[in-house]
Amino acid sequence: AQTVTQSQPEMSVQEAETVTLSCTYDTSESDYYLFWYKQPPSRQMILVIRQEAYKQQNATENRFSVNFQKAAKSFSLKISDSQLGDAAMYFCAYGYSGNTPLVFGKGTRLSVIA
Amino acid sequence: DVKVTQSSRYLVKRTGEKVFLECVQDMDHENMFWYRQDPGLGLRLIYFSYDVKMKEKGDIPEGYSVSREKKERFSLILESASTNQTSMYLCASSSGTSRYTDTQYFGPGTRLTVL
Repeated sequence: AQTVTQSQPEMSVQEAETVTLSCTYDTSESDYYLFWYKQPPSRQMILVIRQEAYKQQNATENRFSVNFQKAAKSFSLKISDSQLGDAAMYFCAYGYSGNTPLVFGKGTRLSVIA
Repeated sequence: DVKVTQSSRYLVKRTGEKVFLECVQDMDHENMFWYRQDPGLGLRLIYFSYDVKMKEKGDIPEGYSVSREKKERFSLILESASTNQTSMYLCASSSGTSRYTDTQYFGPGTRLTVL
């Protein structure tokens, strides 16, 4: 069964600094998708970034980028120039074109220190 | 922007009560989901619907049922609420035929407490 592991329950970063959240997953599939979702306190969960496994190029969205290492089954999220609004719970998730529901990690709570 | 709304942000119910949680999306999405979020457990799928009147069980369907009579509305029903159903419930929707690889849009969540 597919699993997603986020080994850092909590992290903190100084404003304007860079932080990396780790995510590893286990799968025997070759074509799949990986996601980072952000859940700010008392606000809706939103997609941060999405990566298709067959694409070699790492996805980026403004200050957010991923380091996708397919062989190592690693999908880390880098947040550059951290802002107070980046404080949130971040979930890594895995999905593929089958009937298995999206698998979420347990989340990493990120604090941003002013 | 896609908007997914849930009927209540906070709900307190008694053990044994029948509880309805409603979710509405305004983007004509085919797929709708109900998740349960518990600290340290991430999100777990309760039920999924890919069309009106169609539903599929997720990872933890026991104690829950769902209803989708209209495309935009997906209801989660706790037939007889129990204390172990105290949790945050998240609704989500997505478009397209790829159930679990398209972006999901989430509602604000309903924090349910069962006393």
